[in-house]
Amino acid sequence: SQQGEEDPQALSIQEGENATMNCSYKTSINNLQWYRQNSGRGLVHLILIRSNEREKHSGRLRVTLDTSKKSSSLLITASRAADTASYFCASTPGGSYIPTFGRGTSLIVHP
Amino acid sequence: DAGVIQSPRHEVTEMGQEVTLRCKPISGHNSLFWYRQTMMRGLELLIYFNNNVPIDDSGMPEDRFSAKMPNASFSTLKIQPSEPRDSAVYFCASSVGQGEETQYFGPGTRLLVL
Repeated sequence: SQQGEEDPQALSIQEGENATMNCSYKTSINNLQWYRQNSGRGLVHLILIRSNEREKHSGRLRVTLDTSKKSSSLLITASRAADTASYFCASTPGGSYIPTFGRGTSLIVHP
Repeated sequence: DAGVIQSPRHEVTEMGQEVTLRCKPISGHNSLFWYRQTMMRGLELLIYFNNNVPIDDSGMPEDRFSAKMPNASFSTLKIQPSEPRDSAVYFCASSVGQGEETQYFGPGTRLLVL
């Protein structure tokens, strides 16, 4: 089974709104990463948060990590039509070097 | 840097034929990953190399699949014989260190087995 699972599976919003995606994982982790995939393209790394961090920002992206709940969230503020993509979380279990990807959240931002 | 390079970008073949997918990782990266992506199963890790050595191949579906990394700048994933259920997008990714850091993905090879 997947180490990380994103929620919701699909999200449709209007341009300018915020988009929040969640990721839950099963075991303790070394770090958790978020990736983006545009249709027909490879995944692109967005942000990495380590197990001893609680929040990170990168431009319009904000990632939080709650290790007690084994969950993370990705917030995209002031969304744009160009943010339309699938977003994946990838968690690296403690004692492992291999991140495990979730099934992704499909985000559609309507202009 | 050109990023991770994969070839071919698209492959259409008939059941039973041999398929070879190629990957050139980013120079200086120590880890290389092969993934398969389908709508049904999402993104699956097939095999992981570190310093050209296969470390984890537990995701390789069956003996029809094999992967090699003869040197730090080249890897292949071979399917022989191919079957329609192998149709998917195959991604190669590389990273520095042992693999737990940021992965850089190639554009993928879209494989269709008829």
